[in-house]
Amino acid sequence: DSGVTQTPKHLITATGQRVTLRCSPRSGDLSVYWYQQSLDQGLQFLIQYYNGEERAKGNILERFSAQQFPDLHSELNLSSLELGDSALYFCASGPGSGGNTIYFGEGSWLTVV
Amino acid sequence: QKEVEQDPGPLSVPEGAIVSLNCTYSNSAFQYFMWYRQYSRKGPELLMYTYSSGNKEDGRFTAQVDKSSKYISLFIRDSQPSDSATYLCALHAGKSTFGDGTTLTVKP
Repeated sequence: DSGVTQTPKHLITATGQRVTLRCSPRSGDLSVYWYQQSLDQGLQFLIQYYNGEERAKGNILERFSAQQFPDLHSELNLSSLELGDSALYFCASGPGSGGNTIYFGEGSWLTVV
Repeated sequence: QKEVEQDPGPLSVPEGAIVSLNCTYSNSAFQYFMWYRQYSRKGPELLMYTYSSGNKEDGRFTAQVDKSSKYISLFIRDSQPSDSATYLCALHAGKSTFGDGTTLTVKP
């Protein structure tokens, strides 16, 4: 158990809908990272927050947004969902802003039908 | 061209074999080198972390970095069926860039 908690574990939704994925980082970690893993794309970095502020941005679509709250939990919002958004979404956390050692949650399986 | 290229596999070896997993990279700015293990679409687990050229050993695992050749390897000695998983290299320069993973099967 990495100490990173993600909810929900699985969800199925229809195209065009909006979902929110939630992440609680390990105790004491200030950084939260979001990754997307699909069968044909590997593990893709989406975005990083450090102590409530956006720190780095990767290949995140404009339809997706994230935030980190004062209690350091984070949410990833996915809107106008398309079939191609079906993937495993991982949250990871780390103690600092550098991101060289990060610990992953178990992921949220999103299926868009 | 991808920044990180990982030997795609899959790799199948008998129990007890020595396994070599490899990645090459193009960005000389990468400063930190990590290996993660991922079981059947579970969360990746950090196995090894190093920041310098040379070898780092942890039990049956050895991480090797050659910055001059931009090449990193993970060696697993005395491989076990429980080592069957996908192994991901990750290189870090401000953010972590992951290889696509190599799936390893260790047969009893």
